[in-house]
Amino acid sequence: QSALTQPASVSGSPGQSITISCTGASNDVGRYDLVSWYQQHPGKAPTLMIYEVFKRPSGVSNRFSGSKSGNTASLTIFGLLPEDETDYYCSSYAGSNTWVFGGGTKLTVL
Amino acid sequence: QVTLKESGPVLVKPTETLTLTCTVSGFSLTNARMGVSWIRQPPGKALEWLAHIFSNDEKSYSTSLRSRLTISKDTSKSQVVLTMTNMDPVDTATYYCARLNLQTWFDPWGQGTLVTVSS
Repeated sequence: QSALTQPASVSGSPGQSITISCTGASNDVGRYDLVSWYQQHPGKAPTLMIYEVFKRPSGVSNRFSGSKSGNTASLTIFGLLPEDETDYYCSSYAGSNTWVFGGGTKLTVL
Repeated sequence: QVTLKESGPVLVKPTETLTLTCTVSGFSLTNARMGVSWIRQPPGKALEWLAHIFSNDEKSYSTSLRSRLTISKDTSKSQVVLTMTNMDPVDTATYYCARLNLQTWFDPWGQGTLVTVSS
């Protein structure tokens, strides 16, 4: 269960789009379409933004989009807003009833 | 409305055993499509999955912490309990419980409880 690899930070200007990558291995991200993404504001619990690679829970803006290619999943945020500035984490099922998280990415909206 | 709430000590001493309780409402711990996981986050660091319990009482653990963890549930009380033995200062973290849906996504999460390990 090695942690998934995310960039430590990404940045973009309001209105722009950014993509956060989440790289795993052939036994987690690469094997299962069970990647989810979480947004976490300082001092708060994470909240679900994307599940099963690309599905959006009700109430989550369609500016958030997920995808996967090979061992790498991605979260794209379109039309950046100031309130998008916070931390984002990916997670994947890793087989044998275990799960793994990414190292987290801090998004800065310039 | 589905909610989860963690409770337990805020301070434990090194070598002690930590016991945390997650009290859930709005869903049943016997629901086959759901389970409860414990996840922790050291200050300023990333999330780390610790353990999970399924509706049928099957359990799974992080490979690196398996020897120190025990997860259990009391369906009648709607509670999931995590114990972690031999606590160390590096175990200082906010501990969250979260509902796992269809074995794929964690939602919702509890508010978290900060546990500090210090003598």
